[in-house]
Amino acid sequence: QVQLKETGPGLVQPTQTLSITCTVSGFSLTSYYMQWVRQTPGKGLEWMGFIRSGGSTEYNSEFKSRLSISRDTSKNQVFLKMNSLKTEDTGVYYCASNKDFDYWGQGVMVTVSS
Amino acid sequence: DVVMTQTPVSMSVSLGGQVSISCRSSQSLVHNNGNTYLSWYIQKPSQSPQLLIYKVSNRFSGISDRFSGSGSGTDFTLKISRVEPDDLGVYYCGQGTQYPLTFGSGTKLEIK
Repeated sequence: QVQLKETGPGLVQPTQTLSITCTVSGFSLTSYYMQWVRQTPGKGLEWMGFIRSGGSTEYNSEFKSRLSISRDTSKNQVFLKMNSLKTEDTGVYYCASNKDFDYWGQGVMVTVSS
Repeated sequence: DVVMTQTPVSMSVSLGGQVSISCRSSQSLVHNNGNTYLSWYIQKPSQSPQLLIYKVSNRFSGISDRFSGSGSGTDFTLKISRVEPDDLGVYYCGQGTQYPLTFGSGTKLEIK
């Protein structure tokens, strides 16, 4: 059974760095792309980037300068790190599997506020 | 970026009825490899999005045949027949042909 679960801080201060972990089960990270998507009141669903089954990454240029996606295959975990947070980055952050976003985690709500 | 435009923004349907949701892309979604990467998702209240349809017309595992996708190039349609209470939510189209991947703004389906 495929499962994805995001964990991360609920509150982050402006200018700080956001770190979210996606832990997966039921499949191998070496076989599937892993995506990151966020949902904000201002822009709806936004694709942030993915890490391929081989480990290379692709980023939305909207975030490229401050976003990093990595993984630890031994722990079945994928990581999102985004720096220089702004209030507009407030939203729900999801990980999802595969090119077609087959399965999604439940999401983690992140509020950027001082 | 490829802009995905969905219409209508919201709609109301009676149980047992049929609905069609339109999704238009600002550029052709035909990939160099010949595939068209257009997907449909539903986000039920307080839930994550769920994949319904991929590559225009392929139902994802476990998805009812009441859901069907069609279209080509830049014009796509999701049809839901025999609407059930569990179908309420927001429907999104998304394209996977060009980077950055993009989604439509959503169509809210309400049950009368």
